[in-house]
Amino acid sequence: EADIYQTPRYLVIGTGKKITLECSQTMGHDKMYWYQQDPGMELHLIHYSYGVNSTEKGDLSSESTVSRIRTEHFPLTLESARPSHTSQYLCASGLAGAQETQYFGPGTRLLVL
Amino acid sequence: QKEVEQDPGPLSVPEGAIVSLNCTYSNSAFQYFMWYRQYSRKGPELLMYTYSSGNKEDGRFTAQVDKSSKYISLFIRDSQPSDSATYLCAMSVHNAGNMLTFGGGTRLMVKP
Repeated sequence: EADIYQTPRYLVIGTGKKITLECSQTMGHDKMYWYQQDPGMELHLIHYSYGVNSTEKGDLSSESTVSRIRTEHFPLTLESARPSHTSQYLCASGLAGAQETQYFGPGTRLLVL
Repeated sequence: QKEVEQDPGPLSVPEGAIVSLNCTYSNSAFQYFMWYRQYSRKGPELLMYTYSSGNKEDGRFTAQVDKSSKYISLFIRDSQPSDSATYLCAMSVHNAGNMLTFGGGTRLMVKP
């Protein structure tokens, strides 16, 4: 069973606010990912990290930023939230090796008014 | 054309039916194949993981990979209303840093 946590689970916030979505995993996975998913739609990779101090942008352009100061922690920040940022944000982690896969957190549903 | 194609559904079946979910792909380098189940407003949950071709069974679930046809399937026996969810296939190449390519998902509804 995967131990990956996301907070908050739900967030309603006004336009222009700065927000940080938290993601933590206790499995010692070196690789972590952020996806954006609108209701009933596909997953889109927006950021990923292969280890501490490593961050890369994903396939979908995003105004968010990420950091990876500790192995277990991969927060995502929006400096100025807009209604177009309304979506579900999913964090995942994985450990390269014999089984290359990802384990997902429960997600954060963000609504920007 | 997408690398991984999956019929979005919805697929509606009566309780107890055998369900077949499928994905086709174009990249012959894919070697790892996964099925995720995602309930509404939740994160995807890893259901099945297979490497290369062949079958893998876990309870009521069977994953099948046919690399020659670039086709993977997930069979659900004795389907239950609790199986109602969106099923995502995913795949990766060897040493890709766990980078997955996802299908768009098939929404399954099992009616009591």
